[in-house]
Amino acid sequence: DTGVSQDPRHKITKRGQNVTFRCDPISEHNRLYWYRQTLGQGPEFLTYFQNEAQLEKSRLLSDRFSAERPKGSFSTLEIQRTEQGDSAMYLCASSSTSGETDTQYFGPGTRLTVL
Amino acid sequence: GNSVTQMEGPVTLSEEAFLTINCTYTATGYPSLFWYVQYPGEGLQLLLKATKADDKGSNKGFEATYRKETTSFHLEKGSVQVSDSAVYFCALKGTGGFKTIFGAGTRLFVKA
Repeated sequence: DTGVSQDPRHKITKRGQNVTFRCDPISEHNRLYWYRQTLGQGPEFLTYFQNEAQLEKSRLLSDRFSAERPKGSFSTLEIQRTEQGDSAMYLCASSSTSGETDTQYFGPGTRLTVL
Repeated sequence: GNSVTQMEGPVTLSEEAFLTINCTYTATGYPSLFWYVQYPGEGLQLLLKATKADDKGSNKGFEATYRKETTSFHLEKGSVQVSDSAVYFCALKGTGGFKTIFGAGTRLFVKA
């Protein structure tokens, strides 16, 4: 069990550029989540996948945001036409439907800075 | 909707002091409750959890009891160490839901 990994760990971009982040969940986990965390706040839910199906999206996820999990393993989160308000830590988590409770395990996050 | 409220920080304690971080929640049904910890420069780590009323979660000397009658899940530790300095997040996952809802976090500083 190597844990959830995310790439890159840091991304600096200029306003208007597109960015893409990758998340590799714990290998046997079939559920994958994206969250956003701004300074001084707790993580806020963005979207959720079970296997390759995207089952829930937050209203926080505007049409500039898109997430995929094409083979039910890794996932990508793309932000188009970035804005300064998109600057945040983007967290990925994974969990399994087996076991007594659906506990989510988090990756180290990708810190996005939009200049 | 579901929500979590936890005490504002920062909390500053001396080493070996007793720690309490208050957390209350609003939820329908029987949510699962969690405490996560975020050490400086690191990601969120699950500290402990409780899935039903009166359950006590414990780990690394930390404890929290799921109190349905007071809708609370306060975090306690009898003797804190400098290495416990971190941000602590209370969280819940609703019955049948997918997302975890987090409080705003409480920063703890422990002085030697």
